Amino acid sequence: KAGVTQTPRYLIKTRGQQVTLSCSPISGHRSVSWYQQTPGQGLQFLFEYFSETQRNKGNFPGRFSGRQFSNSRSEMNVSTLELGDSALYLCASSPLYGTDTQYFGPGTRLTVL
Amino acid sequence: KNEVEQSPQNLTAQEGEFITINCSYSVGISALHWLQQHPGGGIVSLFMLSSGKKKHGRLIATINIQEKHSSLHITASHPRDSAVYICAVRYGGGSNFGNEKLTFGTGTRLTIIP
Repeated sequence: KAGVTQTPRYLIKTRGQQVTLSCSPISGHRSVSWYQQTPGQGLQFLFEYFSETQRNKGNFPGRFSGRQFSNSRSEMNVSTLELGDSALYLCASSPLYGTDTQYFGPGTRLTVL
Repeated sequence: KNEVEQSPQNLTAQEGEFITINCSYSVGISALHWLQQHPGGGIVSLFMLSSGKKKHGRLIATINIQEKHSSLHITASHPRDSAVYICAVRYGGGSNFGNEKLTFGTGTRLTIIP
């Protein structure tokens, strides 16, 4: 089985722009979670989707949004980019919702200039 | 808010030594995850625990729900075990959808010297 894939792997944007990141979960997995990792804050939870519905959300501003499609693929969007949004964005999938082992993708490294 | 604390922050040991990494949290949880992150960023989920103990190869994870504490042990450590180990807890919402959060510890950087 193919692992979790994320595209693009690297991205450079300027302040004020918006960005869309994509995540394709492992085939058959229905839950997708997104995380942000920065040197200063470490790993932080963004949101979790299951069956096309956002089930849980972390403490991020409304500029961060996401969605999940019927094939379980997920996208996250960040609008009005700020310098502090520079980070590694990780996606993880699991077969079911809740307490289940997560399988992480390689991440998308976003740099905001 | 659930605070997650890991100790030690950094650990250097000789190959073959027995390693223990600790994780403490402040409120009731539904699950605890141990993650491994190698240089370059790739994250691997090692264990998901809600009670008791799990073993996979040379790795053992335990959790004490009453004490709000978990430990990750590595037996017969090897240089390839060098990585950052991260504890993450899932809390809130119970078995219902919504309002669940995942909080991460700051990680323990483990270096095993040959």
